[in-house]
Formats: sequence, structure tokens, C-alpha cells
Amino acid sequence: DIVMTQSPDSLAVSLGERATINCKSSQSVLYSSNNNNFLAWYQQKPRQPPKLLIYWASTRESGVPDRFSGSGSGTDFTLTISSLQAEDVAVYYCQQYYSTPRTFGQGTKLEIK
Amino acid sequence: EVQLVESGGGLVKPGGSLRLSCAASGFTFSHAWMSWVRQAPGKGLEWVGHIKSKGDAETTDYAAPVKGRFTISRDDSKNTLYLQMNSLKTEDTAVYYCVTEQPWFDPWGQGTLVTVSS
Repeated sequence: DIVMTQSPDSLAVSLGERATINCKSSQSVLYSSNNNNFLAWYQQKPRQPPKLLIYWASTRESGVPDRFSGSGSGTDFTLTISSLQAEDVAVYYCQQYYSTPRTFGQGTKLEIK
Repeated sequence: EVQLVESGGGLVKPGGSLRLSCAASGFTFSHAWMSWVRQAPGKGLEWVGHIKSKGDAETTDYAAPVKGRFTISRDDSKNTLYLQMNSLKTEDTAVYYCVTEQPWFDPWGQGTLVTVSS
């Protein structure tokens, strides 16, 4: 199984500042035949289901604000929020879909400082 | 509008059984791979398993903690996904989400709560 490890577990950032969440996979999720990283990022607000933000490690889902960006390749990935807004308070998860079982990171709780 | 609506959750005793349903609309359900993902109270997300489309032989895969106890099935004529849960344990207590695999998970249903307690 591919183990996904996020850091930090929690993060407090001031409004308007940058927030960075890291995700590391125990083995590469880069599919060499198409050069795609099989990694997604989700946002979950309290009492709501998760919402897709990013897929293929860096492709923003339609309707997601451009302050959200994903980067990385192979085993190391980053979700960046360029200028934190109050509505971004949530738990963020990375997930690999390279192999079965699909696995998630443990989540990073983002709060306002 | 794409929609997934789960039902069938509730309170069940350890060792009992429960069947969850997920009604899909707004997309071609028969072509979709479908997963169940659960979230224990205050915890993270855990993939339960998935079922591929008929074109992919409706193959199923399961997470280790539920393998042999849970069964995922689908009825494409009713646009409905099922999760049959047997031999339930207290650690199966969670909100269960129905999700479409694209292969990322989107969209998600609102979830249905399953509580396993005596």
C-alpha cells in the first residue's frame, strides 16, 4: 500500500498570507507512460463532504479560486494557498489514485492566526 | 446537475448487518467507477472499496479492514450503488460517502452515518 504523509498536522496562518501544506507518498505516484502524477487534493469544511481542489497534482478543478495551486512530482507534493481567506479554514487532504487501495493523507487542519 | 444521495445508515449492534444505497443522477452512471469512502467521528478519510463499470467487468476491490465483510454492488438499471455491510464492528462507525472515481474522487454525496454500538 502507498502511505501518504502530510505535514504539518495543523497550521495557523494570518489572513492574506501564504499557506503551504506538504504531502509525501511512500512510493512514486508518477505514471511514466503519460508523465502524470496520480495525486489529488481535497478541502473539507465542518459538516460537509470533501471538495475536490486539484487533480493530476497541479490541475485546478473548475470553479476553484486561483489562489489554490498544486505542485510536485514523484513522491513530494505541495498545496499552496497564495493569500489566505477566512473561507479557506478547513482540513485539507491529499490522496493517491495510482494504485489500489486508494489512500489519503491524515489531513492538515488550517486555521487563522 | 450531478448528484449522489446516500441512504440506509442508522444504529446497528455489533455483529449486525446494514445495506447502504447511493442514488446517482446527472451523469452516465453505467460508465462510472464508484467508490465508498468513510470517515469515523473526528478522524480522516478512509477508502472502503470500489466497483468498476460493467465495461471493466464490474471488478471490485476492498480495503483490508473490510475485506470479506463488506460487498459493493451496483444496479445500472436503477443508477444505484450499494454497500452491504456484514459482521459490523464498533470501529466501522463512520459517515459513509458515495463518490465517483474519475479517477480522482468527484463528486461526493452528503454521506450517511452508520453507528455500530450495543
